[in-house]
Amino acid sequence: AQSVTQLDSQVPVFEEAPVELRCNYSSSVSVYLFWYVQYPNQGLQLLLKYLSGSTLVKGINGFEAEFNKSQTSFHLRKPSVHISDTAEYFCAVSDFAGGFKTIFGAGTRLFVKA
Amino acid sequence: GAGVSQSPSNKVTEKGKDVELRCDPISGHTALYWYRQSLGQGLEFLIYFQGNSAPDKSGLPSDRFSAERTGGSVSTLTIQRTQQEDSAVYLCASSLKQPNTEAFFGQGTRLTVV
Repeated sequence: AQSVTQLDSQVPVFEEAPVELRCNYSSSVSVYLFWYVQYPNQGLQLLLKYLSGSTLVKGINGFEAEFNKSQTSFHLRKPSVHISDTAEYFCAVSDFAGGFKTIFGAGTRLFVKA
Repeated sequence: GAGVSQSPSNKVTEKGKDVELRCDPISGHTALYWYRQSLGQGLEFLIYFQGNSAPDKSGLPSDRFSAERTGGSVSTLTIQRTQQEDSAVYLCASSLKQPNTEAFFGQGTRLTVV
């Protein structure tokens, strides 16, 4: 069965610094990978997704993620964060073996400090 | 409506009572999910409906939980004999036919069992 591990529950970072939010997945077959963001008091929205092709995926708000099959990782990065990036970020995986249901990680809370 | 609609937005119930949570997905979306979000627990998968296929109920935590989807549209999540540990935000999401499409989330129902 597929599973997702987000290695950091909280990541504090100063404004304009780079950030990486880590995600590892477990799946025995080809996967689809997603990052969703939940801003305070708002619903979840899609940040980016990997389906196939280029392993570097660009999303909204300057975020990008790199799919690494050998390390079964899909880490999210941004070169320079803003206060407005403070939110909870969820990594998710979907695969054929799981009937394509989407399974989420526990989330990483990003705090951007001035 | 333009998005996924959930009702009620907040529900306070006494321990032992039954509750029903409703989800109206985006029109035309064949896939529908229920997740539970608890503090520090991420998004826990509960149940997945995909078109006319049998639902994937593998995430339901106990037989007190059940869900149905009538006419391929509206879904109701029922929790019988509620317990305090059922307190959480229950999120519904819908998407076009899987496997690789974005899930659109509702704002959730915050359930408090007292």
